[in-house]
Amino acid sequence: AQSVTQLDSHVSVSEGTPVLLRCNYSSSYSPSLFWYVQHPNKGLQLLLKYTSAATLVKGINGFEAEFKKSETSFHLTKPSAHMSDAAEYFCVVQPQAQKLVFGQGTRLTINP
Amino acid sequence: ETGVTQTPRHLVMGMTNKKSLKCEQHLGHNAMYWYKQSAKKPLELMFVYNFKEQTENNSVPSRFSPECPNSSHLFLHLHTLQPEDSALYLCASSQEPAYQETQYFGPGTRLLVL
Repeated sequence: AQSVTQLDSHVSVSEGTPVLLRCNYSSSYSPSLFWYVQHPNKGLQLLLKYTSAATLVKGINGFEAEFKKSETSFHLTKPSAHMSDAAEYFCVVQPQAQKLVFGQGTRLTINP
Repeated sequence: ETGVTQTPRHLVMGMTNKKSLKCEQHLGHNAMYWYKQSAKKPLELMFVYNFKEQTENNSVPSRFSPECPNSSHLFLHLHTLQPEDSALYLCASSQEPAYQETQYFGPGTRLLVL
């Protein structure tokens, strides 16, 4: 069975500093992986997705993630945090068509 | 948020009430989903519809009854709910329920069962 673990429930960084949100997955084969963001009182928005075309995936708003098969990781990064990045972030694995398995989420706080 | 809309945004109901949640997608998609987001728990898939036909029921109690009259509309009928059913209910849609297909989410309905 596929599963995903977000290693930090809460990450706090200062504005202008790098962001790192960690995600590890378990899968018996090459998975499809996503990062979604949820701002307060909003639906989930897709940041980026890995579909085996390239290991470094670029998303919206300056975010990117690197698929590392040897480490079973798909960490999300951004070089410089902005106040508008404060939100809940979800790492998601897709074990089969139509079924998404979500991580517990990481709440990102940006300090001025 | 014109892609996927949900109404109402907030709902308070008693355990004996009957209410319905509505979802509408304006993206021309064929697949629609209901998810439940409880505090301190990962999002859980509840139901999947493809071309109005239910293709997945993730062991959801019968007090939740979905309805998909067409590919653009999805309802979740609620009756005799329990306080533990209080959660954020999210609707999503995708072009088709296929591998690697992006799902687009609505803002959710926050439900409180008293």
